[in-house]
Amino acid sequence: AQKVTQAQTEISVVEKEDVTLDCVYETRDTTYYLFWYKQPPSGELVFLIRRNSFDEQNEISGRYSWNFQKSTSSFNFTITASQVVDSAVYFCALSVLYNQGGKLIFGQGTELSVKP
Amino acid sequence: DGGITQSPKYLFRKEGQNVTLSCEQNLNHDAMYWYRQDPGQGLRLIYYSQIVNDFQKGDIAEGYSVSREKKESFPLTVTSAQKNPTAFYLCASSAHHLNTEAFFGQGTRLTVV
Repeated sequence: AQKVTQAQTEISVVEKEDVTLDCVYETRDTTYYLFWYKQPPSGELVFLIRRNSFDEQNEISGRYSWNFQKSTSSFNFTITASQVVDSAVYFCALSVLYNQGGKLIFGQGTELSVKP
Repeated sequence: DGGITQSPKYLFRKEGQNVTLSCEQNLNHDAMYWYRQDPGQGLRLIYYSQIVNDFQKGDIAEGYSVSREKKESFPLTVTSAQKNPTAFYLCASSAHHLNTEAFFGQGTRLTVV
């Protein structure tokens, strides 16, 4: 079965705290892609990062960093020194082959609330 | 500006009526998708299309229909057969069906009254 699990439904932190959003995935495919998206209150999903299954290098982009570990099937997302503008729902997603095409499988999302 | 446009933003439907949600993209993307979002359930795939005049059912296609007559357009019809249509609907497109990021529209919130 192919599945993405985001165990944290809601997280609340105070501004400037670091926060890690967990993502665990399941797939038997050897080729797949992992994504993180941000959904602000406006509703539109915004792409943050893509990782393929053959690249386990961690990545840092400003205050954002991602830790991909195939051994534990995890793709965790850390925000350093969180800000109020980081408040949103964050989705982890897995892209796999499906009916000769591909589809994105989303986790349930983690709602992050950053308080001033 | 390039992007995906969904309309309307809010839609109210009476029980027993069909309604069509619009999705247009000017990104020249081949693949387009429709997702449904319910609270606490993430996004679930309704239909997707990899190319014009072709589309495939997703995980929750029952009660929905689509067409892909033009590359830019992928309208979704919510039929009266959909038992619980009240939800937030998101349209997306991507350059490739597997390994490129999807770009999303701002969504349509459908309410059955």
